[in-house]
Amino acid sequence: SQQGEEDPQALSIQEGENATMNCSYKTSINNLQWYRQNSGRGLVHLILIRSNEREKHSGRLRVTLDTSKKSSSLLITASRAADTASYFCATDQAGTALIFGKGTTLSVSS
Amino acid sequence: DTAVSQTPKYLVTQMGNDKSIKCEQNLGHDTMYWYKQDSKKFLKIMFSYNNKELIINETVPNRFSPKSPDKAHLNLHINSLELGDSAVYFCASSERSESAGNTIYFGEGSWLTVV
Repeated sequence: SQQGEEDPQALSIQEGENATMNCSYKTSINNLQWYRQNSGRGLVHLILIRSNEREKHSGRLRVTLDTSKKSSSLLITASRAADTASYFCATDQAGTALIFGKGTTLSVSS
Repeated sequence: DTAVSQTPKYLVTQMGNDKSIKCEQNLGHDTMYWYKQDSKKFLKIMFSYNNKELIINETVPNRFSPKSPDKAHLNLHINSLELGDSAVYFCASSERSESAGNTIYFGEGSWLTVV
């Protein structure tokens, strides 16, 4: 069953701009993770935020989590062409495997 | 030095054939997975093994049979392939069960096309 829904489905920006992707989910979670998938490649873990955390940073990435709204956002600051990829949120619930959303396809043009 | 490696990367086969995809991880993880990604990039868990034991088996046709000879290997065998089986199959591993919130490490995927 699908848990996460990313929004928007596709995002096109210029280099240097910020990119914001949102993820909504339906049930209680232990943590939420964001993954990146370059075209033709496997998914790579970016960042994990636990249910008792509200914000987390990693380099140019900033993730927020609002458990009352069951939503998370991923902000990529100062985007680069190399950030072009699909980004997925994945929710971790007790007793199940990670459930992935459908992803946001980000295109950064130079 | 690939952490999770799967073979073959590309596989084109006819309907009705039987095929296998092999997966190996050198991370020392206890848990391995098979995920299926369809043409719309929707990623769905198929199976999960912990120390060679099946712990998650989602609603997958019986034609799909995972086999884990040891905790570093998880192979996927598919019988009587159908057109709808065309997808990208990802093998993955993690240190403990996902309820502990561990990161999943994915292989590069196996592109299966059934004609």
